[in-house]
Amino acid sequence: DGGITQSPKYLFRKEGQNVTLSCEQNLNHDAMYWYRQDPGQGLRLIYYSQIVNDFQKGDIAEGYSVSREKKESFPLTVTSAQKNPTAFYLCASSSGQGAVGYTFGSGTRLTVV
Amino acid sequence: SQQGEEDPQALSIQEGENATMNCSYKTSINNLQWYRQNSGRGLVHLILIRSNEREKHSGRLRVTLDTSKKSSSLLITASRAADTASYFCATDPSGGYNKLIFGAGTRLAVHP
Repeated sequence: DGGITQSPKYLFRKEGQNVTLSCEQNLNHDAMYWYRQDPGQGLRLIYYSQIVNDFQKGDIAEGYSVSREKKESFPLTVTSAQKNPTAFYLCASSSGQGAVGYTFGSGTRLTVV
Repeated sequence: SQQGEEDPQALSIQEGENATMNCSYKTSINNLQWYRQNSGRGLVHLILIRSNEREKHSGRLRVTLDTSKKSSSLLITASRAADTASYFCATDPSGGYNKLIFGAGTRLAVHP
């Protein structure tokens, strides 16, 4: 089955640590996205990538980094510079061609301990 | 920058009733999309309406778009308990690259 997989489902980070969230898709989609969701709120765009080896900052990129070395993979690193990282992180992909919807992963819940 | 704002923030109805959620946005768009999110899960794409369309149907869902008022509505007819979820509108701004901007969502509770 085609889809988008995020791992881990739950992640705990100590103060000062960097952590990496995985996002893999087998939909042959060109575009991939990372969003952050805080309780009771909508999604805010962190980073997005339209093609391999290229990515752009979204609205809240500070304290985060990404890479896009393969079409299938778009990992997100939450660095120690992100002062309030506790949130639900959602990865999505789309074909990027015309008016299309996103396919979302099931999310990673990150908690600072 | 949140473009879409849903109204109401929360909605509680009985099974069998219709549920209407509204979305307003600020800039011109290529299309507007509605998504559903069950608690603690990812979002699921429900329906997409292009800027040159006024109404679209999919099963029990009906979406309208009024570009002059920069607003959209999602109607779920004959609601079921399984429709309980949060519903988000997302806009694809004109001149962009399918980079969706999401609103804060409407939490729908359907009681048996």
